[in-house]
Amino acid sequence: NAGVTQTPKFQVLKTGQSMTLQCAQDMNHNSMYWYRQDPGMGLRLIYYSASEGTTDKGEVPNGYNVSRLNKREFSLRLESAAPSQTSVYFCASSVRLAGDTGELFFGEGSRLTVL
Amino acid sequence: LAKTTQPISMDSYEGQEVNITCSHNNIATNDYITWYQQFPSQGPRFIIQGYKTKVTNEVASLFIPADRKSSTLSLPRVSLSDTAVYYCLVGTQISGGYNKLIFGAGTRLAVHP
Repeated sequence: NAGVTQTPKFQVLKTGQSMTLQCAQDMNHNSMYWYRQDPGMGLRLIYYSASEGTTDKGEVPNGYNVSRLNKREFSLRLESAAPSQTSVYFCASSVRLAGDTGELFFGEGSRLTVL
Repeated sequence: LAKTTQPISMDSYEGQEVNITCSHNNIATNDYITWYQQFPSQGPRFIIQGYKTKVTNEVASLFIPADRKSSTLSLPRVSLSDTAVYYCLVGTQISGGYNKLIFGAGTRLAVHP
């Protein structure tokens, strides 16, 4: 099993350009998440999807949109990139079961630079 | 959400036991305490979770006093490969499946030869 796979791993954009970060998991998890991590900081939740067909805003959703395409895939779109969105983006997934630890499984990250 | 406070950095040497303490004075009744480890250029990885008393797994122990206002992650006999950032999180898995967790800045552990 590959776990959580993110593409692309690196991307450079110019201000105003748009792009989509792709995320797929093969663990049959119900919940998926997008986080961003700025240098020297912890992770901040952008959007999450508790289950297929639902999405909700996290702590820092402005400037982003998401799509839960199916149970496996959860994409993050930047419609008009800004330098403040330069960051490392992590996708994660988790099982949703009563009494479960809620362990998050993370991808390797996508490093985005906006010039 | 309960805020957590942990040291910004710690140094240790190979073979020593490392204890990282996290304070969470406003922890709620339903909150669990979870620790994650993050290596450079990788996503965080779950280490251990507990609610009260002591929890032990193959990599770490978690000590939680009766008042639950703090917790201590204990790493026995660390090696160079334990050099990483360690995050203490307090939260709960909402019934809808959303893990309501806040990642702070974490503790940067440096293990020296």
